[in-house]
Amino acid sequence: QQQVKQSPQSLIVQKGGISIINCAYENTAFDYFPWYQQFPGKGPALLIAIRPDVSEKKEGRFTISFNKSAKQFSLHIMDSQPGDSATYFCAASDAGGTSYGKLTFGQGTILTVHP
Amino acid sequence: EPEVTQTPSHQVTQMGQEVILRCVPISNHLYFYWYRQILGQKVEFLVSFYNNEISEKSEIFDDQFSVERPDGSNFTLKIRSTKLEDSAMYFCASSVSGHQPQHFGDGTRLSIL
Repeated sequence: QQQVKQSPQSLIVQKGGISIINCAYENTAFDYFPWYQQFPGKGPALLIAIRPDVSEKKEGRFTISFNKSAKQFSLHIMDSQPGDSATYFCAASDAGGTSYGKLTFGQGTILTVHP
Repeated sequence: EPEVTQTPSHQVTQMGQEVILRCVPISNHLYFYWYRQILGQKVEFLVSFYNNEISEKSEIFDDQFSVERPDGSNFTLKIRSTKLEDSAMYFCASSVSGHQPQHFGDGTRLSIL
């Protein structure tokens, strides 16, 4: 019940295209959903995050869509650029109650944006 | 922008030896975490630490693991007797609170021979 399932495992997109990565969770106690971007040799860097009181959050070219009833959320990268080529992880945590913020990560998606 | 720093960047150790991984969290952060990432796999939670004690730990974090905040700035992960399967990237993270974003360091690559 703690799992977060992420798809696809890898994604190839042309420059200027839209990249879409999907995640699904089972634990209804999850109430914080961040996306992390990881470049080779670096740690995960927070990209954008959403809480379940909204269905969408946009920051620049990055948008999270959230569907609470389906227990799914997705990352959309508009106008994808070669510099966006990285591994993307979705994550979830039960940030409320007595939780201390433990993050449960998806398997990761390797995004390649071709020039 | 403040960063989480980890040392060393790469540690090579013989199986059965003790290893200490070091982290300096962001200075005003109060919650500290260790995660690990086996090559090609997802990032996995190990332990969270708040108010000088472990607040939560995973099944991975057995008796061979311990954490400590020996002074006001460092946060360490000790593996007492390393196994081959401990080979992984170990990431330290910190946050202002359990409800706030976690900031990760660049990790320590631990290689057990």
